[in-house]
Amino acid sequence: GNSVTQMEGPVTLSEEAFLTINCTYTATGYPSLFWYVQYPGEGLQLLLKATKADDKGSNKGFEATYRKETTSFHLEKGSVQVSDSAVYFCARGGTSGSRLTFGEGTQLTVNP
Amino acid sequence: DTEVTQTPKHLVMGMTNKKSLKCEQHMGHRAMYWYKQKAKKPPELMFVYSYEKLSINESVPSRFSPECPNSSLLNLHLHALQPEDSALYLCASSRTGTTNEKLFFGSGTQLSVL
Repeated sequence: GNSVTQMEGPVTLSEEAFLTINCTYTATGYPSLFWYVQYPGEGLQLLLKATKADDKGSNKGFEATYRKETTSFHLEKGSVQVSDSAVYFCARGGTSGSRLTFGEGTQLTVNP
Repeated sequence: DTEVTQTPKHLVMGMTNKKSLKCEQHMGHRAMYWYKQKAKKPPELMFVYSYEKLSINESVPSRFSPECPNSSLLNLHLHALQPEDSALYLCASSRTGTTNEKLFFGSGTQLSVL
């Protein structure tokens, strides 16, 4: 079936540590891939996206590369800040229609 | 203006009440969405409107009734809800509704059903 599997949380890091949150997907075809972030008490915001194989999405120091051969879209940041504490959702676009499929979300806490 | 505005932010209702959630955007987007999000879970799609017509209903119970009066407004009418319907209800919009578009989310309405 079509699904998105995210690294289980919660993840707790110290400020300036390196972050990786793993995401793999299954799909027929080549869907667009997204990372959304949800800060406490807010809705989701698009962090970055990639629409085809080998595309790299980047924003605010975060990066993710669309890897068709490993069906992955791992999120990375070289040096996290306290303000990055949030829940991160990997998502896969549908191959038709307007359905996004979200992963389960990963809670990130960054301590000073 | 790149905001999706939802009202109210919080709502407490009894199982016999009728209430409505409201959502507004002024970005000229032609697709609008309702999602339900339980604590520590991802959002679940409920409804999609595309060009003011209901295009997706994810088998949502009839006690939830969506309405799209015009291209900027989206309502969700609630009637005879159950305690398990308590959740964060998120509205979102996108330019035309294709799968590679960015979704813009509101901050949500936190609903408690007593």
